[in-house]
Amino acid sequence: DAGVTQSPTHLIKTRGQQVTLRCSPKSGHDTVSWYQQALGQGPQFIFQYYEEEERQRGNFPDRFSGHQFPNYSSELNVNALLLGDSALYLCASSLGTGDPPGELFFGEGSRLTVL
Amino acid sequence: AQSVTQLDSQVPVFEEAPVELRCNYSSSVSVYLFWYVQYPNQGLQLLLKYLSGSTLVKGINGFEAEFNKSQTSFHLRKPSVHISDTAEYFCAVCHRDDKIIFGKGTRLHILP
Repeated sequence: DAGVTQSPTHLIKTRGQQVTLRCSPKSGHDTVSWYQQALGQGPQFIFQYYEEEERQRGNFPDRFSGHQFPNYSSELNVNALLLGDSALYLCASSLGTGDPPGELFFGEGSRLTVL
Repeated sequence: AQSVTQLDSQVPVFEEAPVELRCNYSSSVSVYLFWYVQYPNQGLQLLLKYLSGSTLVKGINGFEAEFNKSQTSFHLRKPSVHISDTAEYFCAVCHRDDKIIFGKGTRLHILP
């Protein structure tokens, strides 16, 4: 049973460029959340997708956008990259959006370096 | 809005000694609480969670945590640590089906 997989694992971009990160959720999961983890910090919530729609969003600018596909996989797009966008981007999948929330299963992340 | 404070950024402890990692949360409503562990170069893994019921929660790898509503705390404990417990530990909180908010993490150093 494959867990959460993310690609690419590492990438380097320059300021002003755009990046797309990809995530395949754990088998059977239908909800995907994205987090940004800067060096030495905890994960910061970017947004969550369920049924191909953005369900919740954290305090991130519109440069950060996403998409969820019918097979539940997801993409995170960041436009006009800034040096401060350098971080580990974590994808987490879960089942449903009920109360209480389902357990988050995390991928190993995509490490983005912006030069 | 909820928030989480992890009071110690790093905790050194000798192997086989007990450890407590502190977590306080801020919320005006009832919450769910979690502890996640992140081993080097890996994603986060759930250690344990408090949803309701008994305030003492047992998790994987011998860890436990106690929910204290009056002190708004959810400290993580282990009676005897092993070198393999070297990792970063994150406390997290959420309200109902809202987003899960993480603390800044506590790095646990196990000394031989």
